[in-house]
Amino acid sequence: QQPVQSPQAVILREGEDAVINCSSSKALYSVHWYRQKHGEAPVFLMILLKGGEQKGHDKISASFNEKKQQSSLYLTASQLSYSGTYFCGTEGRNYGQNFVFGPGTRLSVLP
Amino acid sequence: DGGITQSPKYLFRKEGQNVTLSCEQNLNHDAMYWYRQDPGQGLRLIYYSQIVNDFQKGDIAEGYSVSREKKESFPLTVTSAQKNPTAFYLCASSARGAGELFFGEGSRLTVL
Repeated sequence: QQPVQSPQAVILREGEDAVINCSSSKALYSVHWYRQKHGEAPVFLMILLKGGEQKGHDKISASFNEKKQQSSLYLTASQLSYSGTYFCGTEGRNYGQNFVFGPGTRLSVLP
Repeated sequence: DGGITQSPKYLFRKEGQNVTLSCEQNLNHDAMYWYRQDPGQGLRLIYYSQIVNDFQKGDIAEGYSVSREKKESFPLTVTSAQKNPTAFYLCASSARGAGELFFGEGSRLTVL
């Protein structure tokens, strides 16, 4: 039931790009992306609702392929502040289904 | 300011004692959630509630209990039946439908 994320960890130099993938075995209503800094609560990045939808937030964007039950998060020209653990969260198609998170992808951006 | 308040932030308890973690929100959200996070791990769902007086078990509900008597409040009790309760506990809420989750700052429970 928990979505799968890949890769588990990635190390970048400042200015490089990264892609984080999230896939689920169940039909999805929505996919959320969150970033968590060490010892802090997760912070919302974006939510995707429709098949094929793409969204952007500064240099962070995401896509959602409803048919494949997959989402990808794209980080462009990464900054030091992007470091943290990224979680995708998925909500099932039927209203009232629970909201579950993937295991997370640890991103480290080095100067 | 609207938000979610969790208390206490840090809690130490002896093995075998029940503890209750508080979660209060003033966002007028219908849905509330409790997650557990272990070091280096993701967030695992303990319980969730979509509406007052109703709640469902998540993936790891054993050893935990909740109540939802008021819309604003969703306390979590960690009972003595929970085998390994030491963890970081996060409460979250969302508006009905596919809304973003708002998180509290978390409660770190250590069982000695």
